Amino acid sequence: ELKVEQNPLFLSMQEGKNYTIYCNYSTTSDRLYWYRQDPGKSLESLFVLLSNGAVKQEGRLMASLDTKARLSTLHITAAVHDLSATYFCAVDIIYQLIWGAGTKLIIKP
Amino acid sequence: DSGVTQTPKHLITATGQRVTLRCSPRSGDLSVYWYQQSLDQGLQFLIQYYNGEERAKGNILERFSAQQFPDLHSELNLSSLELGDSALYFCASNTGEMNTEAFFGQGTRLTVV
Repeated sequence: ELKVEQNPLFLSMQEGKNYTIYCNYSTTSDRLYWYRQDPGKSLESLFVLLSNGAVKQEGRLMASLDTKARLSTLHITAAVHDLSATYFCAVDIIYQLIWGAGTKLIIKP
Repeated sequence: DSGVTQTPKHLITATGQRVTLRCSPRSGDLSVYWYQQSLDQGLQFLIQYYNGEERAKGNILERFSAQQFPDLHSELNLSSLELGDSALYFCASNTGEMNTEAFFGQGTRLTVV
């Protein structure tokens, strides 16, 4: 069975701290996406990672992909309150996206 | 604005009823995906269409059906509704080619009472 596991599922942190969200998956894929969702809102694409070793950065967020370890990370640097949201990873398997359960991130001022 | 349009935004209906959710994909996108998001089940993939044909099927109940029309808009039909069908239903679209992320609509919030 294809599985995509995110951890932690819930994270509460203080502004200014750094933290990493992990996304492990159980099958071979070299395509992975990160999305952000605000409460009651739609999902917004953050990063598209298309090869082993891919690293992308946008502001305080950086995503990386290690296809050999079947692991992607989303690193948050010097967190700010506006980054509070739920973050999902999704693995691309032959035209399907297999989704993680999401990590709910709360950043306290 | 992702360019994906879903209607209606909110829907309240009674158990046993049937509803239709509509999705217009981004201009140029051939593929449409339907997802259900509920508090207890998370984000569940229901079904995907590509250029009018079903391409992939996920955890879609037999009471649910979908189709994609020649103009590429899609409809998700939910019948014999149960309380547990209350959820956010998202439509997403992309070109259908590999290596492209999907763009999500704003969702339809369905409440079954």
